[in-house]
Amino acid sequence: QQQVKQSPQSLIVQKGGISIINCAYENTAFDYFPWYQQFPGKGPALLIAIRPDVSEKKEGRFTISFNKSAKQFSLHIMDSQPGDSATYFCAATSNSGNTPLVFGKGTRLSVIA
Amino acid sequence: DSGVTQTPKHLITATGQRVTLRCSPRSGDLSVYWYQQSLDQGLQFLIQYYNGEERAKGNILERFSAQQFPDLHSELNLSSLELGDSALYFCASSRWGQMDNEQFFGPGTRLTVL
Repeated sequence: QQQVKQSPQSLIVQKGGISIINCAYENTAFDYFPWYQQFPGKGPALLIAIRPDVSEKKEGRFTISFNKSAKQFSLHIMDSQPGDSATYFCAATSNSGNTPLVFGKGTRLSVIA
Repeated sequence: DSGVTQTPKHLITATGQRVTLRCSPRSGDLSVYWYQQSLDQGLQFLIQYYNGEERAKGNILERFSAQQFPDLHSELNLSSLELGDSALYFCASSRWGQMDNEQFFGPGTRLTVL
């Protein structure tokens, strides 16, 4: 039973374009939604996170949009750069992050010049 | 660098063998998590420890066990290894009890079972 569904599996975006990755969750007890970025051979690194009482959070070129009623959230990467090419994972957890993360399957992003 | 260290970086062993993976959390972090990453299953939670005590269990096989020591480092023991256990194993650590508690991941141990 997959509690966090992520799409698309892979994404190719032109340099300067907008990358959009979507996630949907089922468990209404989730209250903390982080996004992780992973480069080949490295561990996942926290990119940005949001709580369900906020509809949008922006940090630099990265924005999370959150729709609590639809149980969906998405990552937008503005002005995508080749250095953004990586695998992105959405995740969810409860108890403000003091419990294990449930991950989506990941999206492999390629930004081409 | 997340501050979480894992050893060894790579491990190659044979079926039926037993291995131990080691994790040192960030300074001040009391909670340690182990995750397995495979191509078909993605990132899956295995087990969580908080200040030496088991806190939560995920899809961890009975052949696998873990513990957290008084100095807060953790070890994941994998025994009777099978080909399907080949994967990346990540340790993550976090503070405890605060809001928006971030989990920081180590660089991982790549296990290859031949």
